[in-house]
Amino acid sequence: GAVVSQHPSWVICKSGTSVKIECRSLDFQATTMFWYRQFPKQSLMLMATSNEGSKATYEQGVEKDKFLINHASLTLSTLTVTSAHPEDSSFYICSASLAGSETQYFGPGTRLLVL
Amino acid sequence: AQTVTQSQPEMSVQEAETVTLSCTYDTSESDYYLFWYKQPPSRQMILVIRQEAYKQQNATENRFSVNFQKAAKSFSLKISDSQLGDAAMYFCAYRSVGAGNQFYFGTGTSLTVIP
Repeated sequence: GAVVSQHPSWVICKSGTSVKIECRSLDFQATTMFWYRQFPKQSLMLMATSNEGSKATYEQGVEKDKFLINHASLTLSTLTVTSAHPEDSSFYICSASLAGSETQYFGPGTRLLVL
Repeated sequence: AQTVTQSQPEMSVQEAETVTLSCTYDTSESDYYLFWYKQPPSRQMILVIRQEAYKQQNATENRFSVNFQKAAKSFSLKISDSQLGDAAMYFCAYRSVGAGNQFYFGTGTSLTVIP
C-alpha cells in the first residue's frame, strides 16, 4: 500500500515552454502533498506544501508564479514549471501523506532537462 | 526551523558486516518523529524505519535498527548483515507532530557495500 506515482519520469523541453508534472496517490487519499527539488548528490529541498482544495504554501525563495502547484483532488497534485529555463533542470520529487499519518510516501521522481 | 545533521558524507561496509550511520538533530520540541529513508541509484525514496520520540524503545525493522538517544538528540541507524542492495544514499529526517508538517532532511550519507 501507500504507492505514489509521478508522470512523466523524464521530460526534455525547450527553453520558454511550460512543463506539467503529475503526482498521484494510487491507493490512498492524500490530504497533504509535498514537492521537492533535488540536485545531484544533494539532499531534498522542499519547494512547497499543498493541501487539497487550498493554495500551496511555498518555501522562501521559491517563485510561486514560476512553479504552479495545484492540488485539486485527494489523489492528484500537479507542478507546472512555467517558462522553463536551463537552470530549472533538476530532479523533482513529490510525496504524499495520508490523513492522520506522520509518514511521507515518495513518488519515483521526474527528471527535467531544459534545453 | 529544526536542523538535522549527518556528519558522515560517505561510509563503506563489507558485505555481511554491520555499519552505523549517524544523525543528530536540534529541536526544542518534546514530541516529534524521526525517519531514515534510503535513496538507491533509481532515486526512489524508500522508508527504512521510523521512530516516535515519545517511545523509549528503539525501532527495529529486520536488519535495520536505530539507537535513539533523546537527551543527546541522536538517531543513528544500524544495518546488520549488510547486503549489496543496501548500497544507497541514506537520509535522516525530522518531523514535528501535527497534520501536514514538513520533513527536515539531513544532507545524506552515501553507503557503499564492498563485496
